[in-house]
Amino acid sequence: DAKTTQPNSMESNEEEPVHLPCNHSTISGTDYIHWYRQLPSQGPEYVIHGLTSNVNNRMASLAIAEDRKSSTLILHRATLRDAAVYYCILRGTLSGNTPLVFGKGTRLSVIA
Amino acid sequence: DADVTQTPRNRITKTGKRIMLECSQTKGHDRMYWYRQDPGLGLRLIYYSFDVKDINKGEISDGYSVSRQAQAKFSLSLESAIPNQTALYFCATSEWTGYGYTFGSGTRLTVV
Repeated sequence: DAKTTQPNSMESNEEEPVHLPCNHSTISGTDYIHWYRQLPSQGPEYVIHGLTSNVNNRMASLAIAEDRKSSTLILHRATLRDAAVYYCILRGTLSGNTPLVFGKGTRLSVIA
Repeated sequence: DADVTQTPRNRITKTGKRIMLECSQTKGHDRMYWYRQDPGLGLRLIYYSFDVKDINKGEISDGYSVSRQAQAKFSLSLESAIPNQTALYFCATSEWTGYGYTFGSGTRLTVV
């Protein structure tokens, strides 16, 4: 799976939108962009994934650049419960037989 | 009940002791995984299993063994625990596509 680059940490004020960036300049045409997050003292949880078009679900939105070399996870209104480490991971359509590999992610702090 | 249950949640054991960490899931997934998390190092894969008869080593399998007793159960054993195996251990399952990982809440293991 291609490599991703994320900032080590970010900070946000509560109730404001948060944009978490991910760079993946070597992404291939069949790589999906997945986001997981890990709340304190818990296992990672799936957030969202997409291929080319922007995606929305109840947790977040995923904005994918037109050239697909970067993407942004958007939390529309950060709450204290969103403080977590966010992982951006690329998964090819043929990578089902390859276990998920986690980088260091971005640690998001939310300030009340 | 949680989809992925790990027992025990916390364990302190002595150097040289054999210890087993257990994982059970109700997702009905064939694929199961064991990860280890150390502070600042992210999650690393120990072992994984794609079905009951399949066991594969991950990035850091030395000093560990696993048993896949049934589709729903995947145990991790430390044959002779050592202090540098002190870590947070996570079990996970995934769909056959390799998407949609679900993690347990983790086992915090301390080897003294």
